[in-house]
Amino acid sequence: QQQVKQSPQSLIVQKGGISIINCAYENTAFDYFPWYQQFPGKGPALLIAIRPDVSEKKEGRFTISFNKSAKQFSLHIMDSQPGDSATYFCAAQGAQKLVFGQGTRLTINP
Amino acid sequence: NAGVMQNPRHLVRRRGQEARLRCSPMKGHSHVYWYRQLPEEGLKFMVYLQKENIIDESGMPKERFSAEFPKEGPSILRIQQVVRGDSAAYFCASSPQASVTYEQYFGPGTRLTVT
Repeated sequence: QQQVKQSPQSLIVQKGGISIINCAYENTAFDYFPWYQQFPGKGPALLIAIRPDVSEKKEGRFTISFNKSAKQFSLHIMDSQPGDSATYFCAAQGAQKLVFGQGTRLTINP
Repeated sequence: NAGVMQNPRHLVRRRGQEARLRCSPMKGHSHVYWYRQLPEEGLKFMVYLQKENIIDESGMPKERFSAEFPKEGPSILRIQQVVRGDSAAYFCASSPQASVTYEQYFGPGTRLTVT
């Protein structure tokens, strides 16, 4: 019940394309859903986050889509750039602790 | 406005030694969280602390691991008698005292290698 399942494990997208990463959760007590970006040797950096009372949130090229009934949420990166190449983690928060997905290694080909 | 600080960034210990990892939260933050990341895996929650209090340690191994966040100074994650399986990246995160958005900001991590 505490798991967050993330897919795909790795993703290759051409420059300018759309990158899509999906996550699913079980625990309906989760009330906050952030996405983190991590570069090699660095800590995770908060990218964008959403609460379950909202179905979509957009910040620049990054959009979260949230489907409460399906218990799924996804990250869309529009106009993907080589600088977006990193590992992306979805997470779900409840009781002040984050439960992370397994991560998606995103590569943007120039 | 400095972010979350962790030191050391890299730590090498022999089996049986002790490891001490330090975390200074962002200015104005009084909640600290520790997570562990094994190679090619996501982060796993270990412990949540406020000043002088452990709030949730449900992710901490029962033996050899302890954490504290004293009134003054950084939070410390202590691993006694380290074993090879303790090799991982340990990340600290912090959040504001009365946050309603629950944003956790992560430090750069300490990479522990046990030889």
